[in-house]
Amino acid sequence: QVQLVQSGAEVKKPGASVKVSCKASGYTFTGYYIHWVRQAPGQGLEWMGRINSNSGGTNYAQKFQGRVTMTRDTSISTAYMELSRLTSDDTAVYYCATHIAAPGSLDYWGQGTLVTVSS
Amino acid sequence: EIVLTQSPGTLSLSPGERATLSCRASQSVRSSYLGWYQQKPGQAPRLLIYGASSRATGIPDRFSGSGSGTDFTLTISRLEPEDFAVYYCQQYGGSPLTFGGGTKVEIK
Repeated sequence: QVQLVQSGAEVKKPGASVKVSCKASGYTFTGYYIHWVRQAPGQGLEWMGRINSNSGGTNYAQKFQGRVTMTRDTSISTAYMELSRLTSDDTAVYYCATHIAAPGSLDYWGQGTLVTVSS
Repeated sequence: EIVLTQSPGTLSLSPGERATLSCRASQSVRSSYLGWYQQKPGQAPRLLIYGASSRATGIPDRFSGSGSGTDFTLTISRLEPEDFAVYYCQQYGGSPLTFGGGTKVEIK
């Protein structure tokens, strides 16, 4: 079965960077994009961008341009999202997700990774 | 950027009642790329509807989606206790992918 398993919770200081991983299984990793979505406490869902798991090409939301880097390692079917220059506003749960059987929508999600930014 | 506005913000209903949730887009959305999600506290979102009206795998038929252009609707025909949650619409007809602000369906 399709699974996306993310790395564990992180606590970072303002100004630092965080790198979250997302390990895929149960499908052909290179056949589908991986998207990253975040959710601040008590808030809605915010799309950060996506990576073509085959070519490595990326599309980032304008808000995160220059601060986010999405990469992948096809040898271990894992995608990564790195966010730099963290502030308290970046405290959120970060999800990876993909769309396999539902074009245009995200039908498989990771469990989420809580990133807390605090001095 | 396509902005999605969901209404109402909160819907207070009893089990067995019908729920109608609205999602309005700031510009026309290709129906193929309109989805609805359910999210419960502490859980990742779950896809309910994609392509505006197609149920995702394993989703009960009490959930249905409709609409086109700028106006879309999610209907839950008879609320079950497990349906009380927050619901989000989402579009990816135009980059960036965007979500609505959500509708909370709470027990009356």
